[in-house]
Amino acid sequence: QKEVEQDPGPLSVPEGAIVSLNCTYSNSAFQYFMWYRQYSRKGPELLMYTYSSGNKEDGRFTAQVDKSSKYISLFIRDSQPSDSATYLCAMSVTGGGNKLTFGTGTQLKVEL
Amino acid sequence: ETGVTQTPRHLVMGMTNKKSLKCEQHLGHNAMYWYKQSAKKPLELMFVYNFKEQTENNSVPSRFSPECPNSSHLFLHLHTLQPEDSALYLCASSPRGSLDTQYFGPGTRLTVL
Repeated sequence: QKEVEQDPGPLSVPEGAIVSLNCTYSNSAFQYFMWYRQYSRKGPELLMYTYSSGNKEDGRFTAQVDKSSKYISLFIRDSQPSDSATYLCAMSVTGGGNKLTFGTGTQLKVEL
Repeated sequence: ETGVTQTPRHLVMGMTNKKSLKCEQHLGHNAMYWYKQSAKKPLELMFVYNFKEQTENNSVPSRFSPECPNSSHLFLHLHTLQPEDSALYLCASSPRGSLDTQYFGPGTRLTVL
């Protein structure tokens, strides 16, 4: 079993749709949770960062963490064609040094 | 473009060649990383440097040899690679103490023939 599972997609939605991206994980020691966005031919860029359980909102993006279910989500409201990218979840253990464990990424396409 | 630059952006090499990838960060960070990104696979951490000292080697084959002469520069020396080493190689940096906020470069797309 992989430490972090993420549906690779591709996921195609119409402009304006609400997008839900998810990851599940097996290591209950993970405490820090991140979402990275990676455009084609670019490196990943940090989009959202949450610690432990709860929600965090930033503009059209909301990150949710449910540690009891070992499940994290990223919601994108009013999706735009510019949101078309691959979204990577990542997580780390408290005191785990510099190691991030990534999901495989979900490819999202927002169509006009 | 981020504060992390990588050169070259694309590299094609034969299995007997020797080449080097270069990474430079302009963010004043103290930790630098090499990752390998292959299609349909999670990012694989290869090496971590903190204050120029290697603190992580994730069981990487010796045909990959990192070098960190200072906190701003990181190299990955390549020799006698295999076709399965073809991938996107990403460099990242982070401030020490903010271990999770890693900033990535655009990557070097490596093809081994």
